[in-house]
Amino acid sequence: EQQVQQSPASLVLQEGENAELQCSFSIFTNQVQWFYQRPGGRLVSLLYNPSGTKQSGRLTSTTVIKERRSSLHISSSQITDSGTYLCAMERSGNYAQGLTFGLGTRVSVFP
Amino acid sequence: GPKVLQIPSHQIIDMGQMVTLNCDPVSNHLYFYWYKQILGQQMEFLVNFYNGKVMEKSKLFKDQFSVERPDGSYFTLKIQPTALEDSAVYFCASSLIWGEDEQYFGPGTRLTVL
Repeated sequence: EQQVQQSPASLVLQEGENAELQCSFSIFTNQVQWFYQRPGGRLVSLLYNPSGTKQSGRLTSTTVIKERRSSLHISSSQITDSGTYLCAMERSGNYAQGLTFGLGTRVSVFP
Repeated sequence: GPKVLQIPSHQIIDMGQMVTLNCDPVSNHLYFYWYKQILGQQMEFLVNFYNGKVMEKSKLFKDQFSVERPDGSYFTLKIQPTALEDSAVYFCASSLIWGEDEQYFGPGTRLTVL
């Protein structure tokens, strides 16, 4: 069973469009982190958002823990936003555990 | 922001040989992790490490794998002996506190087992 579900699996945008990426969890978590993975594989942490709404530049994440979901909004997309966006969560527990990742949303931005 | 370094960036070895992947975590962090990503597939947790001990490991963390951080130096992942299915990118991560803290990831080591 996939504990972290991401949707959509892929997304094609025209430069300047906004996008909303979704993430849902099959179990409760107290830690949600969004990453961007470059085509070459390098992982970039975008937002650490265990609850509520957080913004970083053109990115806004909203996490509703009791509903076991998180979203990432990309505003005014740019060609350089192309890549895979990964959502990850850490199971609630009494010590730091590993992150469980989703399969990702592949975003392609065209001029 | 805080940086995690990994050495080497690429490693090619023959099946059956031993390999050690090195991670230089954020200097004041206390929790350390290894993740594995096979090309084109999902990132998966391998193991986490705190206070000199393995805290949790996944089913991917085979008996041939071991981790250590001797005397606060590199946090290492050793595979002995290696197998073809160990070919992947291995990412190291670290965090300061448990339960409510961001994990910082290194750039990964691409391991190719021939």
